[in-house]
Amino acid sequence: GAVVSQHPSWVICKSGTSVKIECRSLDFQATTMFWYRQFPKQSLMLMATSNEGSKATYEQGVEKDKFLINHASLTLSTLTVTSAHPEDSSFYICSAGAGVTEAFFGQGTRLTVV
Amino acid sequence: GQNIDQPTEMTATEGAIVQINCTYQTSGFNGLFWYQQHAGEAPTFLSYNVLDGLEEKGRFSSFLSRSKGYSYLLLKELQMKDSASYLCAVKDSNYQLIWGAGTKLIIKP
Repeated sequence: GAVVSQHPSWVICKSGTSVKIECRSLDFQATTMFWYRQFPKQSLMLMATSNEGSKATYEQGVEKDKFLINHASLTLSTLTVTSAHPEDSSFYICSAGAGVTEAFFGQGTRLTVV
Repeated sequence: GQNIDQPTEMTATEGAIVQINCTYQTSGFNGLFWYQQHAGEAPTFLSYNVLDGLEEKGRFSSFLSRSKGYSYLLLKELQMKDSASYLCAVKDSNYQLIWGAGTKLIIKP
């Protein structure tokens, strides 16, 4: 199957700082990527849909100014958590689709804000 | 609204068979997916059903009934490594994935 690489796999940052998470499709071009957040023992929550060359589409309740998404190329999307706070601590996962069937996920990023 | 229901937790014995059910109510249907997720890791794809019937892939099988809005994932010859959460997801009319909360499967020796 297709490979999606996400980096870093874990990060600890101080409250008030910003963190950038990268998501790359290694062997296919992804015009659309998805960013999810998952709190412990809960399912995936879609945060936003990242579209190459255009603005991301955010789900209701997700602050676009806090979670900045950039999809500058067909193989790279980035999520920047700005002015992070402890409540932003979570597991962030990106995925990219290859056609209309399965979605391929990155390894996920465990963010801890202290 | 859109809704996907699956049991929160199930327990089974190593070597046995377990069936995890999923019911859904979505605006449109463009396929149903099952994913396996170990704690602290990203989900991995298990199966995809878009037509009614049973899809078999090794020890795992997935069944779909579109008229009933129902699917199940069947795991045979359970192994300890099968302990994980199993996520049911449906693609709606906009091809957006709607996720269930997941079923935590506990395998006992």
